[in-house]
Amino acid sequence: RKEVEQDPGPFNVPEGATVAFNCTYSNSASQSFFWYRQDCRKEPKLLMSVYSSGNEDGRFTAQLNRASQYISLLIRDSKLSDSATYLCVVNPRAAGGYNKLIFGAGTRLAVHP
Amino acid sequence: EPEVTQTPSHQVTQMGQEVILRCVPISNHLYFYWYRQILGQKVEFLVSFYNNEISEKSEIFDDQFSVERPDGSNFTLKIRSTKLEDSAMYFCASRILGRGDQPQHFGDGTRLSIL
Repeated sequence: RKEVEQDPGPFNVPEGATVAFNCTYSNSASQSFFWYRQDCRKEPKLLMSVYSSGNEDGRFTAQLNRASQYISLLIRDSKLSDSATYLCVVNPRAAGGYNKLIFGAGTRLAVHP
Repeated sequence: EPEVTQTPSHQVTQMGQEVILRCVPISNHLYFYWYRQILGQKVEFLVSFYNNEISEKSEIFDDQFSVERPDGSNFTLKIRSTKLEDSAMYFCASRILGRGDQPQHFGDGTRLSIL
């Protein structure tokens, strides 16, 4: 089983649509979770951290289900500028330590007019 | 907003040559990392560095690779004898001291092309 698994997409949606991405991770001891976005041939940029209670940042909502080892990202009212690859990222280490990040392969989103 | 900066943006090197990739992490960050991304593939961890020593490395980071923090600001990745399969985007990242849930911030990468 892959350490972090995502549906590669692409998800092609019209502007204004709501879209959801899912991710599963294999290491039940993982402690920290993030969504990054990556534009073509650019660096990963932090979109948001993911907390157990779920968290929201504007149009973006992230959820974590530790029992199912499942993370989700919901984007409401999609904009053309949301077109990118969304990376599910897990820190498999307990609190403290050096905390390498394990990346999923990403889910591509294309928002069209 | 403070940034991680990387130089050069693109490096073209003959196979077998040594290459040094440079990074300036965010100034109050204490954990440093190198990742690579082969074209079309996922981002992969190479090495983490803290308190002037390697704290963890992946299987990719063999004895052809080394890292150094030669002064208070730069963090370098050296590949001693490059191979064709080293062609990739190399990202430097840094993180503030604190719990593991602090995110890592990435530089805009060096594209390494081995001929």
